[in-house]
Amino acid sequence: NAGVTQTPKFRILKIGQSMTLQCTQDMNHNYMYWYRQDPGMGLKLIYYSVGAGITDKGEVPNGYNVSRSTTEDFPLRLELAAPSQTSVYFCASSYSGGSGGPLNEQFFGPGTRLTVL
Amino acid sequence: GEDVEQSLFLSVREGDSSVINCTYTDSSSTYLYWYKQEPGAGLQLLTYIFSNMDMKQDQRLTVLLNKKDKHLSLRIADTQTGDSAIYFCAEIPNTGFQKLVFGTGTRLLVSP
Repeated sequence: NAGVTQTPKFRILKIGQSMTLQCTQDMNHNYMYWYRQDPGMGLKLIYYSVGAGITDKGEVPNGYNVSRSTTEDFPLRLELAAPSQTSVYFCASSYSGGSGGPLNEQFFGPGTRLTVL
Repeated sequence: GEDVEQSLFLSVREGDSSVINCTYTDSSSTYLYWYKQEPGAGLQLLTYIFSNMDMKQDQRLTVLLNKKDKHLSLRIADTQTGDSAIYFCAEIPNTGFQKLVFGTGTRLLVSP
């Protein structure tokens, strides 16, 4: 199993450009998540999905969009990049979203470092 | 609010014990977690504790939970240079959806 893979690893965007961050998992997890990590801060949840065709907003969804057409893929779209979106983006997946515990362990991808200039 | 607090930095010598502290927010959180982030990598689950436990030991790791004070700690015995990383505590507040709320992370530096 490759686990959770993310592409690209690094990207520099100009203000106003758009891009899609790709995320794929091969563990047949139904839950998937996008987080951003700013320096000296914990991870903030952007969007999450509980299964194909179902997505919902997290804490910081503004400026982002997601889709979940398959179980494996959960791309994150930035439509009009802004300097405030400079961050490291992590995708994660988990088997279920119940009350917690080992079944709900979230597996993280290696991250995408995005800079908006 | 949902702020999980941690001290930002800890420096120890190889062979010493490290203790990383965390104050969480929701007393009804069922599970509490410690994640480890090595440089340039994503987070990896290190250990977790169920809320009805006071302590959990897993090889060199000891997790202590004080529910009254909403305080969680991670002790690493015989700390090695390979333990240098950022450690995040996380909780799942009882808000309906299983959403992990992370602390700010503690950067552990282990010197030889």
